[in-house]
Amino acid sequence: DAGVIQSPRHEVTEMGQEVTLRCKPISGHDYLFWYRQTMMRGLELLIYFNNNVPIDDSGMPEDRFSAKMPNASFSTLKIQPSEPRDSAVYFCASSLGGTSNQPQHFGDGTRLSIL
Amino acid sequence: AQSVTQLDSQVPVFEEAPVELRCNYSSSVSVYLFWYVQYPNQGLQLLLKYLSGSTLVKGINGFEAEFNKSQTSFHLRKPSVHISDTAEYFCAVSESNAGNMLTFGGGTRLMVKP
Repeated sequence: DAGVIQSPRHEVTEMGQEVTLRCKPISGHDYLFWYRQTMMRGLELLIYFNNNVPIDDSGMPEDRFSAKMPNASFSTLKIQPSEPRDSAVYFCASSLGGTSNQPQHFGDGTRLSIL
Repeated sequence: AQSVTQLDSQVPVFEEAPVELRCNYSSSVSVYLFWYVQYPNQGLQLLLKYLSGSTLVKGINGFEAEFNKSQTSFHLRKPSVHISDTAEYFCAVSESNAGNMLTFGGGTRLMVKP
């Protein structure tokens, strides 16, 4: 079975550029989560969706960050303009809804470097 | 709101020795508990979970964890580690009324030495 698929795996770009990270959740999963992982701050939840609707975006660091989920099989996380402090590994995860005992399944992440 | 504490940021251990990775949580409601493992340059993989029932939970790769409600702990154990167990381990909690949101601990890096 295909797991959560993220693209690109690596992204290197210059400060000020727009960055778009993509995620395809596991088919049938109705929750989707975006996380950021850094050495300093560990794993942080940025935003999550339920049935394509954003439920909690309190973890989104600034207005430069935005996330969308236009349909059940695709989500994007956009940073515009990007800054060096945005360098991190960004993970997407999905889970089956219904109760809170369902585990989240993670993609392999996008390693983002802003120069 | 819940919180998760992994007291040890790094645990060095020799191959074939036993290991325990500690996890404590705080919550005012009932919880579900998870351990995830992250190998270098990969995402997090589910190792095991406690939902209800027996407090001793067995997972993949020979790991097990014990839920202790009175001590609000969910420590991870393995009787004999391998070099391939070298990875970062994360404890996570989901509150019964919080949808599918997880709160993660800071992680413990397990370093298995030959």
